[in-house]
Amino acid sequence: SSELTQDPAVSVALGQTVTITCQGDSLRLFYASWYQQKPGQAPLLVIYGKNYRSSGIPDRFSGSSSGSTASLTITGAQAEDEAVYYCDSRDSSGSHPIWVFGGGTKVTVL
Amino acid sequence: QVQLVESGGGVVQPGRSLRLSCAASGFSFSNFGMHWVRQAPGKGLEWVAVIWNDGGKRYYGDSVKGRFTISRDNSKNTLYLQMNSLRAEDMAVYYCARAECGGGCMDYWGQGTLVTVSS
Repeated sequence: SSELTQDPAVSVALGQTVTITCQGDSLRLFYASWYQQKPGQAPLLVIYGKNYRSSGIPDRFSGSSSGSTASLTITGAQAEDEAVYYCDSRDSSGSHPIWVFGGGTKVTVL
Repeated sequence: QVQLVESGGGVVQPGRSLRLSCAASGFSFSNFGMHWVRQAPGKGLEWVAVIWNDGGKRYYGDSVKGRFTISRDNSKNTLYLQMNSLRAEDMAVYYCARAECGGGCMDYWGQGTLVTVSS
């Protein structure tokens, strides 16, 4: 079955840079999208496509992709960036398209 | 501004049915595909289903195929999820989300509605 793999947790010092990765075969064909979710809130689109920020997302967030791995980088992490980050992508390897989410990476800002 | 408001969640016994609704406003609903995504308590996001803008195509995740039906009424700007034969593992917050980025992203999400499956 289709799968996107993310590290469960990562920490970053305030003002430093952190990169979160997402691995999966579907990423060879489709770009990942990245979502930020804070406790008790709905997910918020952060990055989509090659490296496009959703409206209102600070430019410290950026995305990249290589082969079967997509990455989300926060350059100069702020306290408000502490959240769980999910990647997702479309997958067409089966008989019909599906969408798949990674398990999420909890980012802690120290 | 784009708004998606889910409703219809609640407590339901295993094996029973429930219908969720998602009222859309602030955009031309009939021009966009729509997704349902769920999140079990303390767990990650799970894609449930998608429907094309005209309702012509619908696809489902394996865990709900054959039990859930996604539909829409473009005249009412409303998305639906009919959930039958509910199981304990279907208990989750259900979100509707707008499909964008050529189908590659979900750019607006509702606040979610909680479905509790319990006897």
